[in-house]
Amino acid sequence: QKEVEQDPGPLSVPEGAIVSLNCTYSNSAFQYFMWYRQYSRKGPELLMYTYSSGNKEDGRFTAQVDKSSKYISLFIRDSQPSDSATYLCAMTRQAGTALIFGKGTTLSVSS
Amino acid sequence: EAQVTQNPRYLITVTGKKLTVTCSQNMNHEYMSWYRQDPGLGLRQIYYSMNVEVTDKGDVPEGYKVSRKEKRNFPLILESPSPNQTSLYFCASSERGTAAFFGQGTRLTVV
Repeated sequence: QKEVEQDPGPLSVPEGAIVSLNCTYSNSAFQYFMWYRQYSRKGPELLMYTYSSGNKEDGRFTAQVDKSSKYISLFIRDSQPSDSATYLCAMTRQAGTALIFGKGTTLSVSS
Repeated sequence: EAQVTQNPRYLITVTGKKLTVTCSQNMNHEYMSWYRQDPGLGLRQIYYSMNVEVTDKGDVPEGYKVSRKEKRNFPLILESPSPNQTSLYFCASSERGTAAFFGQGTRLTVV
């Protein structure tokens, strides 16, 4: 079993939809959870960063961590065509140590 | 402007010819890291560094070397490149080890 699993998609939604992106993981020692957005031919950019369980909200984005289920989610409300990108989850046991990434989910938002 | 700068952006080289990809950040970050991104395999960490003279292996360190002699620079060295190291490489930095800032990427082809 891979340490981090992420459905590659592609996921296609109409503008204005609520998008749910998810990752599962196997290592219960992971404590820090990140979501990145990557546009084509660009480097990833950090969207959200969460420590341990719970929710975190930033504008249209909400990150959720359920450590009991080893499951993390990123919700995008009122999705826009500019949200079309690949979304990567990542996690680590301890800040400043090895980061493990999911393979990314490609999202397409049509106007 | 806060940024992570990688050079070169594109490189074609021959098997066995030593090369260095440079990475520099201007944000005084302690944490720097290198990744390779391959279709179907996602983003995988090669090496990371929590501070000057402190480096550690990530997921796929074989065939690579790094050094961290100064806080701002973190070069990636391929002593004897092979075709299976053909990939898109990213450098990243952050304060907390979340890889918050990525460079633009270096597309390496080894023939």
